[in-house]
Amino acid sequence: IVMTQSPATLSVSPGERATLSCRASQSVSSNLAWYHQKPGQAPRLLIYGASTRATGIPASFSGSGSGTEFTLTISSLQSEDFAVYYCQQYNNWPLTFGQGTKVEIK
Amino acid sequence: QAQLVESGGGVVQPGRSLSLSCAASGFTFSRHGMHWVRQAPGKGLEWVAVISYDGSNKYYADSVKGRFTISRDKSGNTLDLQMNSLRVEDTAVYYCAKVAVEWELRGGLDYWGQGTLVTVSS
Repeated sequence: IVMTQSPATLSVSPGERATLSCRASQSVSSNLAWYHQKPGQAPRLLIYGASTRATGIPASFSGSGSGTEFTLTISSLQSEDFAVYYCQQYNNWPLTFGQGTKVEIK
Repeated sequence: QAQLVESGGGVVQPGRSLSLSCAASGFTFSRHGMHWVRQAPGKGLEWVAVISYDGSNKYYADSVKGRFTISRDKSGNTLDLQMNSLRVEDTAVYYCAKVAVEWELRGGLDYWGQGTLVTVSS
């Protein structure tokens, strides 16, 4: 299953809202996770089951969608949120990641 | 607090072998599926392999199938990745990660190690 994320780069001012998209080449039901990764660090799980926040993730992060279309919304970007964001499907083998969306400071 | 620590990375010539390990602590290792995920320099994430909580099920990416073997040692709380017939394109940081939900083979990966760099070069 090919996961396609858009846009490749998103320029956002601190405090603004960011909306990231992820599309699957075939249905993955709700078996989708979102991660972010900062330079030199391991990825961190944000959302699983398409919409369930992982432990310790603030409510400013929300996920939605099912089937082939998914969205990650960050309601008010903080400095620590500027990173690369990946979606991952775990409905079918092999598991696959999107190519990433870089969220940068505008 | 769960912790995962990878080791075993290094520089190796094409065609040779290398073994990675991941030491797990802070959670009940025997209840969680475990994955290896890699990231080539400057690139995105690529899933490599998974092993079930009891070691009975294993799956691999097509790019490593037949060359890599994932295993786990319940008594030592370690996850291993034996990599044979290495290729230049296997150069990457290799991460181990645990599945968030107990007993599951698939799902969000909630804890990751810091990664270990494998460089395949002549």
